Amino acid sequence: GAGVSQSPRYKVAKRGQDVALRCDPISGHVSLFWYQQALGQGPEFLTYFQNEAQLDKSGLPSDRFFAERPEGSVSTLKIQRTQQEDSAVYLCASSLGDRGDGYTFGSGTRLTVV
Amino acid sequence: DQQVKQNSPSLSVQEGRISILNCDYTNSMFDYFLWYKKYPAEGPTFLISISSIKDKNEDGRFTVFLNKSAKHLSLHIVPSQPGDSAVYFCAASGNSYKLIFGSGTRLLVRP
Repeated sequence: GAGVSQSPRYKVAKRGQDVALRCDPISGHVSLFWYQQALGQGPEFLTYFQNEAQLDKSGLPSDRFFAERPEGSVSTLKIQRTQQEDSAVYLCASSLGDRGDGYTFGSGTRLTVV
Repeated sequence: DQQVKQNSPSLSVQEGRISILNCDYTNSMFDYFLWYKKYPAEGPTFLISISSIKDKNEDGRFTVFLNKSAKHLSLHIVPSQPGDSAVYFCAASGNSYKLIFGSGTRLLVRP
């Protein structure tokens, strides 16, 4: 596709439920990023992939968060045992390189934990 | 501890006038600064950037100014148009792929 596609657009999860958020980056984009945007805040870095290698996961808030990109294209962000504080918009971005001016963001997945 | 701050949550300007959005940062290691624009239900889109070796970068109606001594940057939009109404995020990086975003300023351009 022409842009970064994220699914689902909206997800409501009961506290304690596991969720999986999908990101389809632009074809050929080497770099893939996940950001978390809480209500009224700017996006915060979660993790970075270069092809299939996860080079930085320093932003993942806890060991309940896990991300993968097994074939260097589609990526999945998994959150286990969701908590209310996990409620946020999860943004995926891809890029040919790693400079911010080359990022293309998806529209995000809005996760609400009830 | 917010490293990038946008202290004005909202701004309203008349169509045709100048919009000035401000951003302050605390980390002197930041060397690259960006502005993103975000419409509702869409992801942020890149608008303009500036390297720390410059103090001004211009692209059409958009100009970004960087004052390193004050650790301050601003985005000027002139003339402002109703289609510019969006949330604007300032972001910074320090020789890294990782972007540090401010909390955003909602701009409303009144017709």
